[in-house]
Amino acid sequence: RKEVEQDPGPFNVPEGATVAFNCTYSNSASQSFFWYRQDCRKEPKLLMSVYSSGNEDGRFTAQLNRASQYISLLIRDSKLSDSATYLCVVNTANTGNQFYFGTGTSLTVIP
Amino acid sequence: NAGVTQTPKFRVLKTGQSMTLLCAQDMNHEYMYWYRQDPGMGLRLIHYSVGEGTTAKGEVPDGYNVSRLKKQNFLLGLESAAPSQTSVYFCASSVRWRGDTQYFGPGTRLTVL
Repeated sequence: RKEVEQDPGPFNVPEGATVAFNCTYSNSASQSFFWYRQDCRKEPKLLMSVYSSGNEDGRFTAQLNRASQYISLLIRDSKLSDSATYLCVVNTANTGNQFYFGTGTSLTVIP
Repeated sequence: NAGVTQTPKFRVLKTGQSMTLLCAQDMNHEYMYWYRQDPGMGLRLIHYSVGEGTTAKGEVPDGYNVSRLKKQNFLLGLESAAPSQTSVYFCASSVRWRGDTQYFGPGTRLTVL
């Protein structure tokens, strides 16, 4: 079973739409959670960390549900520039403090 | 401030050849990592380092070796390249280990024929 699983998509949404991505993780000892963004043929870049109480950064909202072992990312008022692949990342202390990446969810925002 | 840089950007090898990928960071970060990214697999950690002179195995270390002789540099070596090592390799660095932002280099696209 993969450490981190994401729906690969693709998600094709019109400008202005709201879109949500989910990610599940298998290790209940996971301690840190992140969403990264990766543009085509580029390196991943941190979008936001995910905190237990949930957190918001402008149009982006991240939530963590430890009981069900999933994290979510909500993007409101989608822009063309949001088109990218969104990677879910989990850090687990009891496996050598490794970071585990999901395969990514592809988003295309259509004019 | 260049951040994280990787050399080379592209490389084609024949099976059995060797090569070294260089990662350099100018942010004075303690921790550095090498990942590979393959279609449908996500990024997987190959090796990492928690400081100058230290290295440790990640999730997929077989066929690779690393060295961290200087704090700013992290080298990834392939002693005898195999077609299964065709991938995009990313280097990353961070100030701390857990719960910290990783800054990635632009990647090296390696093809092994």
